[in-house]
Amino acid sequence: GEDVEQSLFLSVREGDSSVINCTYTDSSSTYLYWYKQEPGAGLQLLTYIFSNMDMKQDQRLTVLLNKKDKHLSLRIADTQTGDSAIYFCAESIVGTYKYIFGTGTRLKVLA
Amino acid sequence: EAQVTQNPRYLITVTGKKLTVTCSQNMNHEYMSWYRQDPGLGLRQIYYSMNVEVTDKGDVPEGYKVSRKEKRNFPLILESPSPNQTSLYFCASSLQGIRSDEQFFGPGTRLTVL
Repeated sequence: GEDVEQSLFLSVREGDSSVINCTYTDSSSTYLYWYKQEPGAGLQLLTYIFSNMDMKQDQRLTVLLNKKDKHLSLRIADTQTGDSAIYFCAESIVGTYKYIFGTGTRLKVLA
Repeated sequence: EAQVTQNPRYLITVTGKKLTVTCSQNMNHEYMSWYRQDPGLGLRQIYYSMNVEVTDKGDVPEGYKVSRKEKRNFPLILESPSPNQTSLYFCASSLQGIRSDEQFFGPGTRLTVL
């Protein structure tokens, strides 16, 4: 079945770039998403990319999509302590209204 | 303020005692969905609804029921809760459920079943 995988933890120093990686299995996915979950809160959509794109940039966020390897990444430039959160990769399943989320990557930013 | 609300936010109950977690949105969204979040497993979709009286199973529907009698409300019903349903539950909604729509999430309900 469909699956989305992420590493569980990432630690970076304030001011450095963070790169969070995700692999997915559904080759027919048309949209892939990145969500942010701050402590004690629900998820918030950060950005999404359509599968006919290779890259999308939005201020400090850069999303890269490698369709051949089914690999998605989120780069956060100039990472701040406020970026500390759990980041979820998700895909929508073509032909359905279902969404598959990854396990989440906990990003810790060290001052 | 546009939002998704869930009640209760915290609940401790015992095995077999029926409970309902309510979800309401004020954005006139057609699509609503329930997820559970468990450590190491991420979010898993339980049920979703494309509109009033239209619901379908997600990846982990066993032990749950839903109903969508009104557009704004999408309650999650646990007829006979068991300890393996101890989890953090999120309700979400989006305009039409199409892939370019943003899903808005509620604050979560932490359920403990003893």
